[in-house]
Amino acid sequence: GAVVSQHPSWVICKSGTSVKIECRSLDFQATTMFWYRQFPKQSLMLMATSNEGSKATYEQGVEKDKFLINHASLTLSTLTVTSAHPEDSSFYICSARGGVGNQPQHFGDGTRLSIL
Amino acid sequence: RKEVEQDPGPFNVPEGATVAFNCTYSNSASQSFFWYRQDCRKEPKLLMSVYSSGNEDGRFTAQLNRASQYISLLIRDSKLSDSATYLCVVIRNTGGFKTIFGAGTRLFVKA
Repeated sequence: GAVVSQHPSWVICKSGTSVKIECRSLDFQATTMFWYRQFPKQSLMLMATSNEGSKATYEQGVEKDKFLINHASLTLSTLTVTSAHPEDSSFYICSARGGVGNQPQHFGDGTRLSIL
Repeated sequence: RKEVEQDPGPFNVPEGATVAFNCTYSNSASQSFFWYRQDCRKEPKLLMSVYSSGNEDGRFTAQLNRASQYISLLIRDSKLSDSATYLCVVIRNTGGFKTIFGAGTRLFVKA
C-alpha cells in the first residue's frame, strides 16, 4: 500500500519552457502533498506543502509564481515550473501523506529535470 | 545546530558486519520518528517507524530514546544491497505538524 506515482520521470527541454509534473497517490487519499527538490549529494529541500483544495504554503526563498502548485483532488497534485531556466535543473520529488499529520510521507519516483 | 542531526558518514563496512546509526533531535515536541533509505538518484523510501519499545524488521532494528532524544538504527548481517543513504525523519507538533529530515548517513557495504 501507500503508492505514490510521479510523472514524468525525466524531462529535457529548452530554456523558457514551462514544465508540469504530476504526483498521484494511487491507493490512498492524500490530504497533504509535499514538493521537494534535491541537488546531487545534497539533502532534500522542501519547496512547498499543499492541502487538498487550499493554496500551497511555500518555504522561504521559493518563488510561488515560478513554481505553481495545484492540489485539486485528494489524489493529485501538480507542480509547474514556469519559464524554466538551466538553474532550475534538479531532481524534483513529491510526497504524499494520508490521515493525520504524524503519519509518514510516501514519496513518488522523482522527476529529473534538465533545462538546456 | 540542526534540529535533526546525523553523522553523515560514510560508513564503510564489510558484508556480514553489524552497523549502527544514531540520530539526535532537539525539539521535545517531536512525536513521530522514522527511518528512510535513499538510493543514489532515487526517491526516499520508508524503511521503518521507530518506537520507544523498539521495532524490528528482519535484520533491521530501530529504537527510540525519548529521555536522551535520539533514535537509532541497527543493521545486522549487512548486505551489499544495504548500501544507501539512511535518513532520520522526525515529525513534531508545535501548533501544526512539521516533518524534519536529517541530512542522512551514507553506508557502503563492501564485498
